[in-house]
Amino acid sequence: GAVVSQHPSRVICKSGTSVKIECRSLDFQATTMFWYRQFPKQSLMLMATSNEGSKATYEQGVEKDKFLINHASLTLSTLTVTSAHPEDSSFYICSAGAKIREQFFGPGTRLTVL
Amino acid sequence: QKEVEQDPGPLSVPEGAIVSLNCTYSNSAFQYFMWYRQYSRKGPELLMYTYSSGNKEDGRFTAQVDKSSKYISLFIRDSQPSDSATYLCAMTPQGKLVFGKGTKLTVNP
Repeated sequence: GAVVSQHPSRVICKSGTSVKIECRSLDFQATTMFWYRQFPKQSLMLMATSNEGSKATYEQGVEKDKFLINHASLTLSTLTVTSAHPEDSSFYICSAGAKIREQFFGPGTRLTVL
Repeated sequence: QKEVEQDPGPLSVPEGAIVSLNCTYSNSAFQYFMWYRQYSRKGPELLMYTYSSGNKEDGRFTAQVDKSSKYISLFIRDSQPSDSATYLCAMTPQGKLVFGKGTKLTVNP
């Protein structure tokens, strides 16, 4: 199957700082990528749909000014958590794929905000 | 009522057992039904997807969909310790995935 990478795999930061997470499709081009958040023992919750060359589409309740998404190329989408707070601590996962029913997920980024 | 309900378990079985994992859903607009496997601290991995009611088999895995009951299942035959993971069902009406909570499975040698 296709490969999606994420960087970093783990990040610890102080409250109030910003953190950038990268999602790359390594062997295919992705016009659309998805960003999810997963709290412990909870399901994946879709945060936003990242569209190459246009603005991201955010799910209800997700602050677009706090979670900045940039999809600058067909292989890279970035999620920036601005002014992070402890409640933003979570597991962030991206996915990409030619079809919604065949999504390939990245390995995830564990964010801890102190 | 949540769109997708899945018993989080945990489920513990002996090696070689047949495992049955299930989800129910409320939105009749869901068209595709996926099963993902997620190991601890990793991203989900697609196992298989189905479209219509009926069964789909892939090796030791069989996915079953009953649209009339809004009920889907994943069966794992001859379960192995390496199958120990969290299994997530997911569905899509169009354009995005809706996930169940996941069922944590442990297969004991």
